[in-house]
Amino acid sequence: NAGVMQNPRHLVRRRGQEARLRCSPMKGHSHVYWYRQLPEEGLKFMVYLQKENIIDESGMPKERFSAEFPKEGPSILRIQQVVRGDSAAYFCASSQQGSYEQYFGPGTRLTVT
Amino acid sequence: AQSVTQLGSHVSVSEGALVLLRCNYSSSVPPYLFWYVQYPNQGLQLLLKYTTGATLVKGINGFEAEFKKSETSFHLTKPSAHMSDAAEYFCALSSGTYKYIFGTGTRLKVLA
Repeated sequence: NAGVMQNPRHLVRRRGQEARLRCSPMKGHSHVYWYRQLPEEGLKFMVYLQKENIIDESGMPKERFSAEFPKEGPSILRIQQVVRGDSAAYFCASSQQGSYEQYFGPGTRLTVT
Repeated sequence: AQSVTQLGSHVSVSEGALVLLRCNYSSSVPPYLFWYVQYPNQGLQLLLKYTTGATLVKGINGFEAEFKKSETSFHLTKPSAHMSDAAEYFCALSSGTYKYIFGTGTRLKVLA
């Protein structure tokens, strides 16, 4: 029974490049959440998605960041024109319909050089 | 506004000693409270959670936490620390919705 899967686990990008982070929720889960963990800080909520819908993106920076969860395939967090301040661990979590109990993936550690 | 405060960003204990990690919260509605553990370069693993009912909650790996409404606290304890407990621990709060509020974490070091 696979848990939440994220790839890549580590991603290095130069300033100005694009970063794409993928998240496959647990089997049977239709809700996905993205969190960001900056160094020495706790996780901060970014966005909540259901299949083909963004429910709450109040934690997402207004520019350069976008997220999607298509009908088929993983959820994608996309960061355009990355800057050094985007270096962080990005965690995905998923939950079942009707439950807010979230299960977390191993995270993607993004380093911007 | 909701918030979570973890007192002590670093805690060291000797192997076999009591582990006590502190978490205080602020919430205008009855909270759901969680403790997660994060091992280096890994994701978060749920240790235990409080939603309603019994205020003393037992989790995995011998950890437990007690919800004290009067003190707005949810401290994590383990009677006897093991070397494998060395990790970072996060307290989190939810008002029963999807948005979790995390504390800044406490890094536990276990000394031989």
